[in-house]
Amino acid sequence: NAGVMQNPRHLVRRRGQEARLRCSPVKGHSHVYWYRQLPEEGLKFMVYLQKENIIDESGMPKERFSAEFPKEGPSILRIQQVVRGDSAAYFCASKGPLTPSYEQYFGPGTRLTVT
Amino acid sequence: KQEVTQIPAALSVPEGENLVLNCSFTDSAIYNLQWFRQDPGKGLTSLLLIQSSQREQTSGRLNASLDKSSGRSTLYIAASQPGDSATYLCAVFTDQAGTALIFGKGTTLSVSS
Repeated sequence: NAGVMQNPRHLVRRRGQEARLRCSPVKGHSHVYWYRQLPEEGLKFMVYLQKENIIDESGMPKERFSAEFPKEGPSILRIQQVVRGDSAAYFCASKGPLTPSYEQYFGPGTRLTVT
Repeated sequence: KQEVTQIPAALSVPEGENLVLNCSFTDSAIYNLQWFRQDPGKGLTSLLLIQSSQREQTSGRLNASLDKSSGRSTLYIAASQPGDSATYLCAVFTDQAGTALIFGKGTTLSVSS
C-alpha cells in the first residue's frame, strides 16, 4: 500500500510567483490535512478537507492561500504571489472516513524555497 | 490556547545511553498525546499514542508516560542506537470532536557510535 504522496518534494519559486503543492492521500482515505513547518518551528495546522468540502480552515492565512480536494485527483494547496516568509516545509496528512481525527498518516512533505 | 513545549531542543548522546525527552502542554484538558519521529526528508511516523485516561505506553525500547494533571509527558529511550537519531515530536489532540494535532517544536537527537 502506498502511503501519502506529496509532489513535488522540493519547489523553488521567485517572489511573486505561484506555488502549487499536491497531496495524494492513502488509498481509500477521504480526509486530508495540511500543516506548515516554518524553520525552527513546530508543525502548524492549516486546513482540513474532505472530498469537495473544506471542513476547517482556521489555520489558513487570510490571503494568498487556498486549498481544494476535488472529487477526483489529489488535494492541492495553492499559494499565490509567494513571499520569502512562505519558505517552509508543507506536510499533508490523511485519514480514513471512519477513523478518528488523531490517526493521521503523514506524507514526506514539500520543501518550498522562495528566492 | 494550547501550547506544546519540548525540552531539550537538541540532544547528543553516545550509543547505549538511556535518555529522556520532555514535553509539556499548557492546557491539561487533552484527549490524547502522541510521540512522532521525523527523519530528514521524510514524513512523520507515529511512535506511541497515550489516551488521556492512560499513564504510559510502551513499544520495544520506547516508553512514554503521561501526567495529564501537571501537563507533562516524557519519552524514555533505552539503550540508544545510532538509528535512533532523528527529531522527536510531541503532539496533543485536544478533544474527540477536534480536528488538528498541536505539535511542539521537537527534540533533535543524535546518537553517536
